[in-house]
Amino acid sequence: QVTLKESGPALVKATQSLTLTCTFSGFSLNTVGLRVSWIRQPPGKALEWLARIDWDDDKFYNTSLKTRLTISKDTSKNQVVLTMTNMDPVDTATYYCARNGYASYYFDYWGQGTLVTVSS
Amino acid sequence: QSALTQPASVSGSPGQSITISCTGTSSDIGTYNYVSWYQQHPGKAPKLLIYDVTYRPSGVSNRFSGSKSGNTASLTISGLQAEDEADYYCSSYTSSSNLVFGGGTRLTVL
Repeated sequence: QVTLKESGPALVKATQSLTLTCTFSGFSLNTVGLRVSWIRQPPGKALEWLARIDWDDDKFYNTSLKTRLTISKDTSKNQVVLTMTNMDPVDTATYYCARNGYASYYFDYWGQGTLVTVSS
Repeated sequence: QSALTQPASVSGSPGQSITISCTGTSSDIGTYNYVSWYQQHPGKAPKLLIYDVTYRPSGVSNRFSGSKSGNTASLTISGLQAEDEADYYCSSYTSSSNLVFGGGTRLTVL
């Protein structure tokens, strides 16, 4: 059974950095072809893909946010970590981690999401 | 990378069929068969409905189907049911190795 769960601060101040952890079970990021992504959704708005890390440690970032994002993995802990710097109130959103389908670009399993509010 | 274009809302009566369009460009939908569709109920995480344009994951009703023509992908829901009322999002892989979502479509079952 595949599960993912996001954790991190619910509230951060503007200009601070945000670190979110995705802890998953039911699969290993050592498995060829597997990938984990981060996606966010501001309240009442659309989904936005942020970043992806692959089994071979390849990393991909949203072009618009690339300078602010860092994704990493700890396969021994079954965790993927996303750091976003210089947070702004417009970054207030529910942040999801999701597993990509095998060697593909769809998301077959999602975490429940964690709401992060950025105060000014 | 601009978001894919979806209608803001669609509606239909129980039993009817509806289609939601998702328009991109030659840099995403037009080139890659990596279009997926998600259903999201209020307060819930998205759920995968369709992947790689036409494929349905195990457990998803065959009332949901996907297609693509040129730069536009479509999701069709047949035999509308009350529980289909939700937000629907399309997504596509892009030539810049990114993943772009549509703006979302609110489906109302009348």
